[in-house]
Amino acid sequence: EAQLVESGGDLVQPGGSLRLSCEGSGFTFSNYWMSWVRQAPGKGLEWVANINGDGRQKYYGDSVRGRSTISRDEAKNSIYLQMNSLRTEDTAVYYCARGRFCASGSCYWDYWGQGILVTVSS
Amino acid sequence: QSALTQPPSASGSPGQSVTISCTGTSSDVGGYDYVSWYQQHPGKAPKLMIYEVSKRPSGVPDRFSGSKSGNTASLTVSGLQPEDEADYYCSSYAGSNNWVFGRGAKLTVL
Repeated sequence: EAQLVESGGDLVQPGGSLRLSCEGSGFTFSNYWMSWVRQAPGKGLEWVANINGDGRQKYYGDSVRGRSTISRDEAKNSIYLQMNSLRTEDTAVYYCARGRFCASGSCYWDYWGQGILVTVSS
Repeated sequence: QSALTQPPSASGSPGQSVTISCTGTSSDVGGYDYVSWYQQHPGKAPKLMIYEVSKRPSGVPDRFSGSKSGNTASLTVSGLQPEDEADYYCSSYAGSNNWVFGRGAKLTVL
């Protein structure tokens, strides 16, 4: 069965940077779109970014576009989210999720990691 | 991109049916048959319950069903069980490689 494990969460000051990682196992990693979805404390889910199997297609939500970069390393079965110019409103649990049929727009997420907390505060 | 509109809460007694709505616009819910639903228990990761409006992944009980009419999608839980108590989120494709979630609805089993 597919498994996803996030790491890299931390307490960061406003304006700082952070890189999140997500390692996948139990499936052919390169065959799947991968995504980051976040959830602020006590709030709902928010789509953050998608990346396709070969890493050439990347899409971002409005709230992180221009400040964040999604990438992947097939040799490590991992995706990353580099976040810059962090704001207090970026405080959230960040989930890594496997996307299905994202190229067509369908994009539903069938496996999720346990989530990692990012706190942006001075 | 605005979040989809869901009622904050819904409730029902064991064995009853409850429906949770998810309202968007013609640019998202109404424009594509790409609505999915997720169940989230406190402190846990979301779980896929319905995709592409009405399709159920393997392992999800057939008590869960989805539908759509116009700009509103719906998740119906029939034969409510205590373990169904959770937060439920809808998601939709919003065009131009954007995806949007609903604000979530807390389902209480009375």
